[in-house]
Amino acid sequence: EPEVTQTPSHQVTQMGQEVILRCVPISNHLYFYWYRQILGQKVEFLVSFYNNEISEKSEIFDDQFSVERPDGSNFTLKIRSTKLEDSAMYFCASSEGRGLDTEAFFGQGTRLTVV
Amino acid sequence: AQSVTQPDIHITVSEGASLELRCNYSYGATPYLFWYVQSPGQGLQLLLKYFSGDTLVQGIKGFEAEFKRSQSSFNLRKPSVHWSDAAEYFCAVSYTGFQKLVFGTGTRLLVSP
Repeated sequence: EPEVTQTPSHQVTQMGQEVILRCVPISNHLYFYWYRQILGQKVEFLVSFYNNEISEKSEIFDDQFSVERPDGSNFTLKIRSTKLEDSAMYFCASSEGRGLDTEAFFGQGTRLTVV
Repeated sequence: AQSVTQPDIHITVSEGASLELRCNYSYGATPYLFWYVQSPGQGLQLLLKYFSGDTLVQGIKGFEAEFKRSQSSFNLRKPSVHWSDAAEYFCAVSYTGFQKLVFGTGTRLLVSP
């Protein structure tokens, strides 16, 4: 069964460093998403991406964040200068379509720890 | 503000016993409701969803959920829990009709022998 794959499963980084989280969405999917969950809090929407553009972003997704689909298969989330409060589980998801008639498939998550 | 509440952080159920996980959502004219499960090391997997029609929906792995508009609730149930059901369960809502989901904090289910 096709699945969304995220790497690494756990990343530890020093405050102020740049970090790139990687995702391989399902191959025929056209819409891509990032969510995050700070420990003990809700899973929060960060951004959606379609046709090489951000289609929607939350207020969490500030200038420190960027997304890219560099090579047609990977979908990355970059945090330019990490802060302690960026420590969270980051989930990537993909779907065939934008509507709810298609299912969004989620990866297993990358746990980011900023020290 | 649009929000989803899962009041139980942890629930422990004996194997074979029934299960109900609670979910409440903030007011929305047409909420689209979901339950996801995350087993250890796995991604979030869709269990079931409700858009309209029959308020009792069936999902995978023997789960069902009932939409109650009067209570703004969408509780997840299973009549007999198996040890393999131990996982984290997330309730989610879309208020836009698109794949931008508002999630709850999750409920961790432990299954005792």
